[in-house]
Amino acid sequence: GAVVSQHPSRVICKSGTSVKIECRSLDFQATTMFWYRQFPKQSLMLMATSNEGSKATYEQGVEKDKFLINHASLTLSTLTVTSAHPEDSSFYICSARFGVGDLYNEQFFGPGTRLTVL
Amino acid sequence: GESVGLHLPTLSVQEGDNSIINCAYSNSASDYFIWYKQESGKGPQFIIDIRSNMDKRQGQRVTVLLNKTVKHLSLQIAATQPGDSAVYFCAENIDPNTGGFKTIFGAGTRLFVKA
Repeated sequence: GAVVSQHPSRVICKSGTSVKIECRSLDFQATTMFWYRQFPKQSLMLMATSNEGSKATYEQGVEKDKFLINHASLTLSTLTVTSAHPEDSSFYICSARFGVGDLYNEQFFGPGTRLTVL
Repeated sequence: GESVGLHLPTLSVQEGDNSIINCAYSNSASDYFIWYKQESGKGPQFIIDIRSNMDKRQGQRVTVLLNKTVKHLSLQIAATQPGDSAVYFCAENIDPNTGGFKTIFGAGTRLFVKA
């Protein structure tokens, strides 16, 4: 299957700093990418949907000024957690999909990035 | 709001037995459902999917059943192995009427396989 990578896999930062997480589709062009957040022993919560070349669509309750998403190319999307605080510590997972309007297009998930804010 | 949820948060089975993981969904308009497996510290891994025009779909050692009448999904794993130990999520694709679909995950069930 298609491969999605994330970088870094782990990051530890001080409170108040910003952290950038990259999501790359390695062998396919991803028209749509998704960002999820997962707290320990909980499910994946969708944060935002990102279409290449356009602004991301954020889920209700997700601050767009705090979680900046850029989908500049068909193989790269970035999530920047600005002014991170300990409550932002979580497992961030991206996924990528080939198409936009096809209900049945499979998503391919990245391995996740563990963010710890001290 | 509408969501996908699970009946059992934890399931413990003996190696070699069959496992059944259940999921209830509330969005009657959902057309497509997926089961994912997530191992500790990793991203979700696709297991099997089913469209709403089907009742059953089989893969290798896995079967998904869909009962639209009661809005219920199940994942059956035959001859469960230690490598099947993980958290299993059901998910549904929904259309927010914005031209693209998004996937909403259920709460998850942790499967323990006893050797």
